[in-house]
Parts: sequence; C-alpha cells; structure tokens
Amino acid sequence: AQKVTQAQTEISVVEKEDVTLDCVYETRDTTYYLFWYKQPPSGELVFLIRRNSFDEQNEISGRYSWNFQKSTSSFNFTITASQVVDSAVYFCALSGDTSGTYKYIFGTGTRLKVLA
Amino acid sequence: DTEVTQTPKHLVMGMTNKKSLKCEQHMGHRAMYWYKQKAKKPPELMFVYSYEKLSINESVPSRFSPECPNSSLLNLHLHALQPEDSALYLCASSQDRKGGPMATEAFFGQGTRLTVV
Repeated sequence: AQKVTQAQTEISVVEKEDVTLDCVYETRDTTYYLFWYKQPPSGELVFLIRRNSFDEQNEISGRYSWNFQKSTSSFNFTITASQVVDSAVYFCALSGDTSGTYKYIFGTGTRLKVLA
Repeated sequence: DTEVTQTPKHLVMGMTNKKSLKCEQHMGHRAMYWYKQKAKKPPELMFVYSYEKLSINESVPSRFSPECPNSSLLNLHLHALQPEDSALYLCASSQDRKGGPMATEAFFGQGTRLTVV
C-alpha cells in the first residue's frame, strides 16, 4: 500500500525564520514520483516540485529547498527566511503505479502560518 | 494568474437543481481531472480524462456526471446532490506522458466552492 504522512498539522513561525515541512512516504514501487503543492487561501494548488525515485539530488529554488532521502523515505521541504506570503497549506504527494495506473496519494497537508 | 479557469467560483444549489461546473485550459494538456476537497482535507480524485476519454472514475456517485467536449474543456454536471456534497471542486490538467498523466505535475484551477442546501 502507498501512504504519505505529514505529521505536522499546523506550524506557526515568525517572519524571517526558517521552517521545515516533513513528508514521509511508503511505497513498494521502484519507480515513483514525489511532489509538493502549495494551497493558498485562494484555493488552487500550486505545483512546487516533482522528483522521481531515481533522482536523490537535493534541489534549491530561491528560498525553497527540498531534501529527498530514500534511505528514510522522506522528502522534506524547507523555506528559508519565511515571509507572510508563504502562509498556506502545503501538500506532499506520491505517485506510483502499484495498481497498474499512476495515481496521486496526497498527505493530509501542513498548514503554515507566518506571522509578521 | 492560473492557467486553468473554473466557473463559477461559488455556487449554491438546491437538492433538486441541475447545474454544471466548467473548466478550461489552454496549455495543450491532454489529461484533465476533477477533484473534490472538503475543508481541512486533501483533494480526493473523482475523474480523469486522457485524450478526451474517461480513464478513471473513482466510484463517484452517478449524480456527478463528467463530460469532456474537447481537449481544452471539462464539465461536471450535477444533479440531485446531497448536502454532504458541499465542497471545493477543483479542476486540474497535465501532460499525459509515458507512465500516465499522474506521473507528472498537475496545474489546478481556483476551484468552485459548492454549497448544497
């Protein structure tokens, strides 16, 4: 069975603090994809990153960075110098083809509040 | 600005009404999706269209009827809904690459906030 766990339900930080959102996944697939999406109050999910299971390189995009570790089945997301505009719900998702068709399995989301 | 446009943004309907949700994308994507999202929950997949054909129906009740008139448009027809169907309905689109459409990133609209009274 596939599963994504985001144990942090809600995190509050003060602006300019760094914050890490945790994502732990379970899958038996050898080929799978991991994603992070941001959902601001406006409602749409905004794609942030996609990683395939064969690419463990960490990635940095501006203030955002991602740490993928297959050994611990984790794909954590760090925001450096957080800003109020980062306040949103962040979803981690896994896509594998255990059932023969790729499907997204979303985590339950982490609500991030960045206080001014 | 989102490249996936959903209308209407808000909808209130009675349990005997018939209404439709509309979604449009102009990114040349060949896969389109409907998701349902309840408050404080992740999105739940309802339907997937790939090259205008229904490829996944997640056992959704027949009171929800999807339609894909062409590669840019996706509709969700609603009839005889229940109050528990009140939710945010999200449309998304993606490329349909090797491995299937959900092996790649999706682009979401802002959703239709539906209230059934």
